Amino acid sequence: DAGVTQSPTHLIKTRGQQVTLRCSPKSGHDTVSWYQQALGQGPQFIFQYYEEEERQRGNFPDRFSGHQFPNYSSELNVNALLLGDSALYLCASSFGQGGYGYTFGSGTRLTVV
Amino acid sequence: GQSLEQPSEVTAVEGAIVQINCTYQTSGFYGLSWYQQHDGGAPTFLSYNALDGLEETGRFSSFLSRSDSYGYLLLQELQMKDSASYFCATRSNDYKLSFGAGTTVTVRA
Repeated sequence: DAGVTQSPTHLIKTRGQQVTLRCSPKSGHDTVSWYQQALGQGPQFIFQYYEEEERQRGNFPDRFSGHQFPNYSSELNVNALLLGDSALYLCASSFGQGGYGYTFGSGTRLTVV
Repeated sequence: GQSLEQPSEVTAVEGAIVQINCTYQTSGFYGLSWYQQHDGGAPTFLSYNALDGLEETGRFSSFLSRSDSYGYLLLQELQMKDSASYFCATRSNDYKLSFGAGTTVTVRA
């Protein structure tokens, strides 16, 4: 039973560039949430996708956008990268929006230089 | 909004008991969860309390008092592999999961 898969594992980008991160949820899960985790901090909620729509959003600018596909996989896009976007980006999946025991992927480590 | 407070670090020896406290301020509280994260790894779900009281799962127990906006995670019979960061997280009724800054637990031999 595959867990949550994220790709790539590491990424280095230059300021101003755009990046796309990918997530495949755990088998049987239909809801995907994205989190940003800065070094030494807890994960910060970016947004949640359910039924291919963004359902909830945290305090992140419009430079952060996403998509969910019919197979429940998801992408996170970040435009006009800033140095402060350097972080571990985590994807978490659950069954339904009301889940509480989220399954997290190992994340994508994004470094902006 | 959501606000969670937990200690930044705890150190204990193998076999000891550690309690990690978490106080929270949140609107639309729906439950308190605990996650474990080893360095550079995926956060792993440990426990969830929706109602007041103690939930026990093996060596780990979690407690919630909704009237006090307070909970704790109890780690018993500490093992070296328990060295990790532990996060409390509140789930609100709009499905958002908000995390504390985390508590780094260091287990010494």
